[in-house]
Order: sequence, then C-alpha cells, then structure tokens
Amino acid sequence: AQSVTQPDIHITVSEGASLELRCNYSYGATPYLFWYVQSPGQGLQLLLKYFSGDTLVQGIKGFEAEFKRSQSSFNLRKPSVHWSDAAEYFCASVAGGGNKLTFGTGTQLKVEL
Amino acid sequence: DVKVTQSSRYLVKRTGEKVFLECVQDMDHENMFWYRQDPGLGLRLIYFSYDVKMKEKGDIPEGYSVSREKKERFSLILESASTNQTSMYLCASSSGAGAETQYFGPGTRLLVL
Repeated sequence: AQSVTQPDIHITVSEGASLELRCNYSYGATPYLFWYVQSPGQGLQLLLKYFSGDTLVQGIKGFEAEFKRSQSSFNLRKPSVHWSDAAEYFCASVAGGGNKLTFGTGTQLKVEL
Repeated sequence: DVKVTQSSRYLVKRTGEKVFLECVQDMDHENMFWYRQDPGLGLRLIYFSYDVKMKEKGDIPEGYSVSREKKERFSLILESASTNQTSMYLCASSSGAGAETQYFGPGTRLLVL
C-alpha cells in the first residue's frame, strides 16, 4: 500500500528565512503528488501538484517543490517565509489513475517575527 | 472559484444520536469525498462517491454511511454517534481521478459527548 511520510511534526522559522518541508512517498511507480496548506480554522488549499514532466513545480504563494525519484521525495520549499505562511502543510499522493488521496500526517509551521 | 460548503462549522451531539453532515459543491464535480482529520494522523478517507448513488469505502468506513442522491450533495451519516467519532470532518470534490485537484470545504468540528 502506498504511504506518505512527513518526518517533521513541527518546524519554526524566522520571517524572511528559507523553508524546506520534507515529504517521502512509498509507491512502486511514480505517483501523483500534492502539497496542501491548511490555515487555522480553514479547509485545505492546494499549493502545487506534480504528475509528470519537469521535476521542479511552481505553486501559489511563492512555493515550489522538487520531485526526486531516486530519493522518493517531494520536498516543499520557499526562499523567504512570510508571517502569513504559518499554517499546517500536508503532502499527499494518488497512485496512478486512482481517486484516493493518501495524506501525510502534516507539518505545523510556526513563523517567528 | 470552486466552492465546497459544509452545513455546520461546529456540532455537539450526544452518544447514540444519529448525526448528518452535509456537503454541497457548486462545480458539477463527479467525485466527492469525506475525510476525517485527527492530530498526528493527518486526513483519512472515510468514503467517496464517483457518481450519484455510487459510493466506495475508504480507509475507515466503520461506523459511517453516506448518501448521494444529487450530484452536488454528499452526506455523511453517523448512525449512532460515539465519543471516538469526535473529530474534524472535511468534505472535498474533484472533477476526475489521478492528478485532478480535490477542493475542500472548511470542515465541521464534531464533538460527541
């Protein structure tokens, strides 16, 4: 069965610092990969997704993610974090042409001013 | 913009009560999903529906049922609520499988006493 691992439960960064959130997936073939963000009291919003082609994916709010097949990773990055980026971030995958999103356990981001 | 709405943001129910959570989407999406979100566990799929009157079990269907009588509406039913069903419930919809984005509602926080 496929799984998604987010090894960092909490991360704290200073405003203006760079950010990298880690995500590893477990699936035989290349899955479809997603990053979602959940602000306090809100539903999930898609930041970006990867399904084929260029392994560096640009998303909304200045985020990007890089798919690395050799490391089974899809890490999320942002060069300069803003206080409004404080939220919970979820990595997710879908196997092949299926419907079922498998989520990681999430990483809570705190931004220090 | 896709809009997914959920009937309640907060709900308090007694053990043994029958509970209905309603979800409506306005984008004519074929697929609709119900997830449960718990701290440290991420989101877990309860049920999904790929067409009117069609449904499939997700990872944790026990204690839940669903109904989809109209394309835009997907209901989650707790036949006899229990305290271990206290959680955040998120509804989502998508236009297709695989790489298609799932759009989420704001969630319903259910407390079962």
